[in-house]
Amino acid sequence: GAVVSQHPSRVICKSGTSVKIECRSLDFQATTMFWYRQFPKQSLMLMATSNEGSKATYEQGVEKDKFLINHASLTLSTLTVTSAHPEDSSFYICSAPSPGTSGGRGTDTQYFGPGTRLTVL
Amino acid sequence: QQQVKQSPQSLIVQKGGISIINCAYENTAFDYFPWYQQFPGKGPALLIAIRPDVSEKKEGRFTISFNKSAKQFSLHIMDSQPGDSATYFCAAAFSGGYNKLIFGAGTRLAVHP
Repeated sequence: GAVVSQHPSRVICKSGTSVKIECRSLDFQATTMFWYRQFPKQSLMLMATSNEGSKATYEQGVEKDKFLINHASLTLSTLTVTSAHPEDSSFYICSAPSPGTSGGRGTDTQYFGPGTRLTVL
Repeated sequence: QQQVKQSPQSLIVQKGGISIINCAYENTAFDYFPWYQQFPGKGPALLIAIRPDVSEKKEGRFTISFNKSAKQFSLHIMDSQPGDSATYFCAAAFSGGYNKLIFGAGTRLAVHP
């Protein structure tokens, strides 16, 4: 299957600083990528849809000024957590649909990155 | 209407047994139903997926059963192994939804030797 990578895998930062997380599709191009947040023992919560060449679409309740998303190319999306606070500590995961995997039926197979563990002190 | 309800929250199965996880949905526009497996500290990995034009799909020890009229689908893991111990998420999406997945709450499976 398709491969999605994330960097870094773990990051620890001080409160008030900004952290950038990269998501790359390694063997396919992705015009759309998704960013999720997952708290311990909980499900994945969709934060935003990253769109190449245009603004990201944020889910209700997600602060777009705090979670900056840039889809710089067809293989790279970045999530920047600005002015991070301890409550932002979480597991952040990106995903990308691999085009052409739906057999023309509209919903492509979605592949997830390995996740980034963010700890804000 | 956008929710996917998953049960049970946790499941303990003996090695060699059958693990069964159930999901239900409301939105009849959903037309893609994947199952993901997640190990601690890792991203979810696609296990198996089904579309509503079939009632069952089998891949190795993993089978999805799909009941369109009841708006329910389930994952069966045959001959469960300790290595299957993980969290399993069902999800749903629809063609007009730009690949956006709606996830269930997850089921933590423990397979005891």
